[in-house]
Amino acid sequence: NAGVTQTPKFRVLKTGQSMTLLCAQDMNHEYMYWYRQDPGMGLRLIHYSVGEGTTAKGEVPDGYNVSRLKKQNFLLGLESAAPSQTSVYFCASSYHGQGNTEAFFGQGTRLTVV
Amino acid sequence: GENVEQHPSTLSVQEGDSAVIKCTYSDSASNYFPWYKQELGKRPQLIIDIRSNVGEKKDQRIAVTLNKTAKHFSLHITETQPEDSAVYFCAASPGYALNFGKGTSLLVTP
Repeated sequence: NAGVTQTPKFRVLKTGQSMTLLCAQDMNHEYMYWYRQDPGMGLRLIHYSVGEGTTAKGEVPDGYNVSRLKKQNFLLGLESAAPSQTSVYFCASSYHGQGNTEAFFGQGTRLTVV
Repeated sequence: GENVEQHPSTLSVQEGDSAVIKCTYSDSASNYFPWYKQELGKRPQLIIDIRSNVGEKKDQRIAVTLNKTAKHFSLHITETQPEDSAVYFCAASPGYALNFGKGTSLLVTP
């Protein structure tokens, strides 16, 4: 049982390049989330999904897109990377929604945009 | 949306002392309040949580208290140990997503 797995773990991008971060969970969770973590800023919600085929904006959605084509996968896309998107990205999942139950986090993706 | 404030941002205690971290929230609809511990370079992990129908919860050396009227909740760690050194995050949820505080860096010195 792997839990929540993020791919890749590290990535360096040049400004303007695009990339997709993959989050996969094997716990049959309905809810999935993408957060970014910056020093002194805590964890800020980018986008989330309450089920297959659904997505919604969080606190800091600009510059990111997401897709939830399969229940177990949640993809985060950067169409044109900017240095301000340098961060550590965490994916999380939960069963009933984070209002009612524990959220499990992936190991994180460290992204640097130069 | 929900706004969670967390204090202090850094906390240094001696081994064996107690540590207290406090959080306030703004959305009266929030009903779930977890605390996460994050060690350096690792993912956040849940250490304790409390729901709005409970005022206090304990788990060994860790306890959380909730005051819904005042919209604040606190984490209490007793008999601290060096392995308690980490960043602690509080969070509040009105039902669909967790809103995190900015974290408290706790250092426990031997």
